[in-house]
Amino acid sequence: DTGVSQNPRHKITKRGQNVTFRCDPISEHNRLYWYRQTLGQGPEFLTYFQNEAQLEKSRLLSDRFSAERPKGSFSTLEIQRTEQGDSAMYLCASSLRGTGDREKLFFGSGTQLSVL
Amino acid sequence: GNSVTQMEGPVTLSEEAFLTINCTYTATGYPSLFWYVQYPGEGLQLLLKATKADDKGSNKGFEATYRKETTSFHLEKGSVQVSDSAVYFCALRETSGSRLTFGEGTQLTVNP
Repeated sequence: DTGVSQNPRHKITKRGQNVTFRCDPISEHNRLYWYRQTLGQGPEFLTYFQNEAQLEKSRLLSDRFSAERPKGSFSTLEIQRTEQGDSAMYLCASSLRGTGDREKLFFGSGTQLSVL
Repeated sequence: GNSVTQMEGPVTLSEEAFLTINCTYTATGYPSLFWYVQYPGEGLQLLLKATKADDKGSNKGFEATYRKETTSFHLEKGSVQVSDSAVYFCALRETSGSRLTFGEGTQLTVNP
């Protein structure tokens, strides 16, 4: 168990550019989640996948945001035409589908995005 | 919609002091309740959870009891240590859902 890995750790971009983040979940986990966290706030749900299927998306996920999990393993989150309001920590988490401890979420350390 | 409200921080305590971090929630149905902790430079970790009314979650000396009548899930520890310094998040998950709804977090600093 190597944990949830996110890359890059930090990303600085100019307004209007596109950015892509990657998340590698714990290998046997079939659920993968994306959250966004701004300074002084708790994480806010963006979307989640079960295997390769995207099952739920938050209203926070505007049409500039797209997430994929093509083979049910790693996932990417792309933000097009970035805005300064997109500056935040983007967190990925994974879990097993099930109940009780199988539903325990494991979080990565996040990708910090700064839009100048 | 669902929401979680935590006591405002930051909280600063001396080592061995008693800790309470208040958490109240609004939800439909019977959610599961969680406390997550985020140590500096690390990802969020599940600290404890409770899945039904009157359940008590406990871990590492921390405890929280699911109080349906007051819609609360306050975190307590009898004697804090410097190593407990972190940000603590209260969260809920609806019975039929998968997403977590988090509170805004409470920064705890414990001084020696």
